[in-house]
Amino acid sequence: QVQLVESGGGLVKPGGSLRLSCAASGFTFSDYYMSWIRQAPGKGLEWVSYISSSGSTIYYADSVKGRFTISRDNAKNSLYLQMNSLRAEDTAVYYCARDPVTPGGRSGSSDYWGQGTLVTVSS
Amino acid sequence: DIQMTQSPSSLSASVGDRVTITCQASQDISNYLNWYQQKPGKAPKLLIYDASNLETGVPSRFSGSGSGTDFTFTISSLQPEDIATYYCQQYDNLLGDTFGQGTKLEIK
Repeated sequence: QVQLVESGGGLVKPGGSLRLSCAASGFTFSDYYMSWIRQAPGKGLEWVSYISSSGSTIYYADSVKGRFTISRDNAKNSLYLQMNSLRAEDTAVYYCARDPVTPGGRSGSSDYWGQGTLVTVSS
Repeated sequence: DIQMTQSPSSLSASVGDRVTITCQASQDISNYLNWYQQKPGKAPKLLIYDASNLETGVPSRFSGSGSGTDFTFTISSLQPEDIATYYCQQYDNLLGDTFGQGTKLEIK
């Protein structure tokens, strides 16, 4: 069965860095786009970034552009999010999600999600 | 950026009621609109994709409609297990994705 397992969250000081990982199993990872979505405590969902199946196409939300870097290792069935220059407003549960591919390209209809990993940015 | 305005922000209804949530996009998004259900402490679950398509395994009491800028999500007969927060989401591969603010659904 499809599984996505995030790790790497924790407490970090403002200005610090953290690298999140998402281990995928149960499907052909290299066939799918992948996304990161976050949710601040008690708040709604916010899309963060997506990466194409090959890693050649990447997009970021304006709120993280220049600070976060998404990447993937298809040989390891893993997705990553490198987060630098962290701010208090980056505090959230971070989810990785699988995005199906259609003839037209990426479908943003994330059909499987991980359980999330909590990132807390605080001094 | 494309903005999504979802309403209402909260809703109280009785078991068996028909429930409707709306989402309006700030510009034409064709049918690139999804609906998710999120229960407390859990990851979101995809219910409806591309405005009106029911995700595999989702009960048929859930439905979606609309195109362009105006979209509707309906639960035809509310069940106790439907208590959750519901989000619309538009996706645009060049401009990025945007979620609505969410609708918290409670049982009256």
